[in-house]
Amino acid sequence: EADIYQTPRYLVIGTGKKITLECSQTMGHDKMYWYQQDPGMELHLIHYSYGVNSTEKGDLSSESTVSRIRTEHFPLTLESARPSHTSQYLCASSALQVHGELFFGEGSRLTVL
Amino acid sequence: AQSVAQPEDQVNVAEGNPLTVKCTYSVSGNPYLFWYVQYPNRGLQFLLKYITGDNLVKGSYGFEAEFNKSQTSFHLKKPSALVSDSALYFCAVRERGSYIPTFGRGTSLIVHP
Repeated sequence: EADIYQTPRYLVIGTGKKITLECSQTMGHDKMYWYQQDPGMELHLIHYSYGVNSTEKGDLSSESTVSRIRTEHFPLTLESARPSHTSQYLCASSALQVHGELFFGEGSRLTVL
Repeated sequence: AQSVAQPEDQVNVAEGNPLTVKCTYSVSGNPYLFWYVQYPNRGLQFLLKYITGDNLVKGSYGFEAEFNKSQTSFHLKKPSALVSDSALYFCAVRERGSYIPTFGRGTSLIVHP
């Protein structure tokens, strides 16, 4: 089992609320990623980080923001949630080797009413 | 630019029969190739990867994949399917020098009893 954790697993909130999805890994991985996935559908990269104080936007435009103050922690924040943000959010990390596989968390399923 | 295609949205196979899930890729130079599996309401789990060397790669749960450079393919195979293999399977590719994988759209594998 990979040591990467996401909370909350499920969240239902109202429009306009601010939310933070937490992601932590205990493997010391420098690279971390956030993907958005509608149920049973393809993954879209929304943010990634190569290390502390490094964050980049991914291929899919997103109104979310991320931070990387500590190696093990990579939270994702939505300042004002909307129904269009309803989706599953997957966090992942990978080791230093460029051919290293990704380790995924269990996901956070967000529903915005 | 790197890309990956999974031409089948769904693959159906009877339990005990061999299964193949197809993947083709496009990269500049030699690729790193990966297969992941996703069960309902879970994150992705790493199955196997090709880095270099032997074209036949063995992974978790009895799965294997064959790298074919001339056909730019990396098909996932298993000699005898189990009902518990039913899940969503993702192929991914990384160009050497990149830390960002590109995922396919996913293939739903359904194994019938």
